[in-house]
Amino acid sequence: DTGVSQNPRHKITKRGQNVTFRCDPISEHNRLYWYRQTLGQGPEFLTYFQNEAQLEKSRLLSDRFSAERPKGSFSTLEIQRTEQGDSAMYLCASSSSGGGETQYFGPGTRLLVL
Amino acid sequence: QQQVKQSPQSLIVQKGGIPIINCAYENTAFDYFPWYQQFPGKGPALLIAIRPDVSEKKEGRFTISFNKSAKQFSLHIMDSQPGDSATYFCAATRAGNMLTFGGGTRLMVKP
Repeated sequence: DTGVSQNPRHKITKRGQNVTFRCDPISEHNRLYWYRQTLGQGPEFLTYFQNEAQLEKSRLLSDRFSAERPKGSFSTLEIQRTEQGDSAMYLCASSSSGGGETQYFGPGTRLLVL
Repeated sequence: QQQVKQSPQSLIVQKGGIPIINCAYENTAFDYFPWYQQFPGKGPALLIAIRPDVSEKKEGRFTISFNKSAKQFSLHIMDSQPGDSATYFCAATRAGNMLTFGGGTRLMVKP
């Protein structure tokens, strides 16, 4: 299966700790997106990359959040000094900029901050 | 500001019924409207998508109806099955940028 993969699938951490999630997009896709989904809600956009360039960031993305895509392949999302309100499912999606808007999602990383 | 409004929040139908989920958008710059299906603990999976220059699109048992002047679109699921029980999200995007999602509809299909 060559779909979008995310690791870890689950993460439990204590408030104040830093966490990092990884996303591996579909190999030929040059766009990569991060979303956050809380229980019972639709996903909310956080940020996206085209190749290694971060093109847009949501106002939801506080200073404690940072994302990278250093070689235009996989991406990491780091949350520093986690808060209980950060508990959510973090979803990654990828797409091709060559006329294809369809975004394909990974299975997500479920974060629980105690 | 919620730019895509989805209704109903939940829906129960009998097997074989035709659930209909509606969405309305505000931003006329949106040019691509996908529907996603999500099972508990999984990521959203693309079902079907439409562009505003088309009034209807059908793929298998799933049909999107699109009304550009009313800025509304809807998903119909023909001959619904218990395996269709999931949460459905409409979404909208412009030029392949970020997706703006509706609030979701939790569908239950009773055997």
